[in-house]
Amino acid sequence: DAGVTQSPTHLIKTRGQQVTLRCSPKSGHDTVSWYQQALGQGPQFIFQYYEEEERQRGNFPDRFSGHQFPNYSSELNVNALLLGDSALYLCASSLPAGGNEQFFGPGTRLTVL
Amino acid sequence: AQKVTQAQTEISVVEKEDVTLDCVYETRDTTYYLFWYKQPPSGELVFLIRRNSFDEQNEISGRYSWNFQKSTSSFNFTITASQVVDSAVYFCALSGYTGGFKTIFGAGTRLFVKA
Repeated sequence: DAGVTQSPTHLIKTRGQQVTLRCSPKSGHDTVSWYQQALGQGPQFIFQYYEEEERQRGNFPDRFSGHQFPNYSSELNVNALLLGDSALYLCASSLPAGGNEQFFGPGTRLTVL
Repeated sequence: AQKVTQAQTEISVVEKEDVTLDCVYETRDTTYYLFWYKQPPSGELVFLIRRNSFDEQNEISGRYSWNFQKSTSSFNFTITASQVVDSAVYFCALSGYTGGFKTIFGAGTRLFVKA
């Protein structure tokens, strides 16, 4: 049973560029959430997708956008990258009901120079 | 507003010692869920436990135990007879009805277990 997978593992970009991160949820899960984890901090909720729509959003600017595909996989897009966007980006999948445990992928380490 | 506070930034213990990780939460919801996750050096968060707001029973799973007290808004995690493999960052998290069940994480407690 495949768990949550994310690609790429690492990414280096320069300020102003755009980046797309990808996530495939655990088999049987249809809800995908994205988190940003800065060094030494806890994960910060970016948004959650269910049935191809953004269901919840955290306190992140519109530069952060996402998409969910019919097969439940998801993408996180970040435009106009800033140095402060450097972080570990985590994808988590779950069943849709509120309060379910989440299963996390290994993350994508984004470095913005 | 919802908030999770893990006041202990780092804890260092010697193998076989017991250790308790503290978690204090804030929410106005009556329906909410509390979680503990483990993040080993590999970086992938691993789910440990979920507790809903209507179930204050303590839980034990092997060397792990959790103490949920609504009166003090705390959900503490104890590792008995710690092992080197327990070294990781541990996160407490809250998911509440008002916030649409968005998950709010604490800042984490880094646990070092020395042989």
